[in-house]
Amino acid sequence: DAGITQSPRHKVTETGTPVTLRCHQTENHRYMYWYRQDPGHGLRLIHYSYGVKDTDKGEVSDGYSVSRSKTEDFLLTLESATSSQTSVYFCAITKGQGDGYTFGSGTRLTVV
Amino acid sequence: GNSVTQMEGPVTLSEEAFLTINCTYTATGYPSLFWYVQYPGEGLQLLLKATKADDKGSNKGFEATYRKETTSFHLEKGSVQVSDSAVYFCALSDQAGNTPLVFGKGTRLSVIA
Repeated sequence: DAGITQSPRHKVTETGTPVTLRCHQTENHRYMYWYRQDPGHGLRLIHYSYGVKDTDKGEVSDGYSVSRSKTEDFLLTLESATSSQTSVYFCAITKGQGDGYTFGSGTRLTVV
Repeated sequence: GNSVTQMEGPVTLSEEAFLTINCTYTATGYPSLFWYVQYPGEGLQLLLKATKADDKGSNKGFEATYRKETTSFHLEKGSVQVSDSAVYFCALSDQAGNTPLVFGKGTRLSVIA
């Protein structure tokens, strides 16, 4: 009912493999974000999008890429997963950057 | 650049105790300020917000007042419950709303019966 879903919810992958996480929204919001959450670091912004095909880097973008070919989907790709990318990944959406965000339930990624 | 500093946790309180979680910020102009809450195993939820100086945001018994003079947005609740156990995040959006939210590192609250 929140209008935002993340998939998968859990994933275990091997070092060096590519991984894609998906964020899907039904709210038709313009802005979408990918954050990672790690103990002691809080939430850190990886990438964000302000429209179809319009994306920008956040503070921890190295090793990650994103794509937004449709308003409703924002994909996060780890080109070659490393153990340091083991984390919980959250997607968020908003209609305006000064408004509150709606967060997905998160994806727990483990890189072994 | 913009930043948010929250008090370190964890915070452990008995049920019905008074809660304060401190949050201070650095930003130019008049940013919008937010408190988010994260319950175990879930994503963050917006708890309350304030968009201008002296505004008070409130929700579910929680309150926070936007204090421009002290650049603060402290979260308070008069009587906490076990169900309030969660991680609380303070966040800031710049005045123009042109950049993504900046989050504090979070404060874990545990309430014991």
